[in-house]
Amino acid sequence: DTGVSQNPRHKITKRGQNVTFRCDPISEHNRLYWYRQTLGQGPEFLTYFQNEAQLEKSRLLSDRFSAERPKGSFSTLEIQRTEQGDSAMYLCASSLSQGYGYTFGSGTRLTVV
Amino acid sequence: AQSVAQPEDQVNVAEGNPLTVKCTYSVSGNPYLFWYVQYPNRGLQFLLKYITGDNLVKGSYGFEAEFNKSQTSFHLKKPSALVSDSALYFCVEDTDKLIFGTGTRLQVFP
Repeated sequence: DTGVSQNPRHKITKRGQNVTFRCDPISEHNRLYWYRQTLGQGPEFLTYFQNEAQLEKSRLLSDRFSAERPKGSFSTLEIQRTEQGDSAMYLCASSLSQGYGYTFGSGTRLTVV
Repeated sequence: AQSVAQPEDQVNVAEGNPLTVKCTYSVSGNPYLFWYVQYPNRGLQFLLKYITGDNLVKGSYGFEAEFNKSQTSFHLKKPSALVSDSALYFCVEDTDKLIFGTGTRLQVFP
């Protein structure tokens, strides 16, 4: 088990472009979470999946953001028409269940120029 | 509303001295509480958790935390700080998703 893997590690994009990030969770974890973290702040919840079902979306997740988890395995987070305010670290985490413990990936750092 | 509060933005302590990083929670009932640590340019690492049972929870790297229901607190402690403990610490509540506190930066001076 290699933990939670996120790709790419860094992404620089021009404002208005679309970007997609990928997260591969720990294989036996059925829950997958996306968070966003800006410098010096705590991670903010964006959305989470149980298997392939998206169970909750934060109000932070505007309609430019979409996440999928086909077949309940890896997940993708897409941001359309990126804005400078989208610049942040995007973190993925996986877990077996509430209270069990969450394993975080190293994150994808997005810079919108 | 914030579920957990970390009242100190930064805590400074000399190496070898005991350290405490404070956290209070606001949920009623039996909360699931965690501490995570984030080192510079590295991912979030789990330190310890309280689900039920003993109020004193022992975790990684010599850290421990005490769950106090009457004071609704879950302070992180270590008897003897190391310079390598310098990092950003988050108190977290598990409400079926993790809700992070604002973080406390711990600086341990040699």
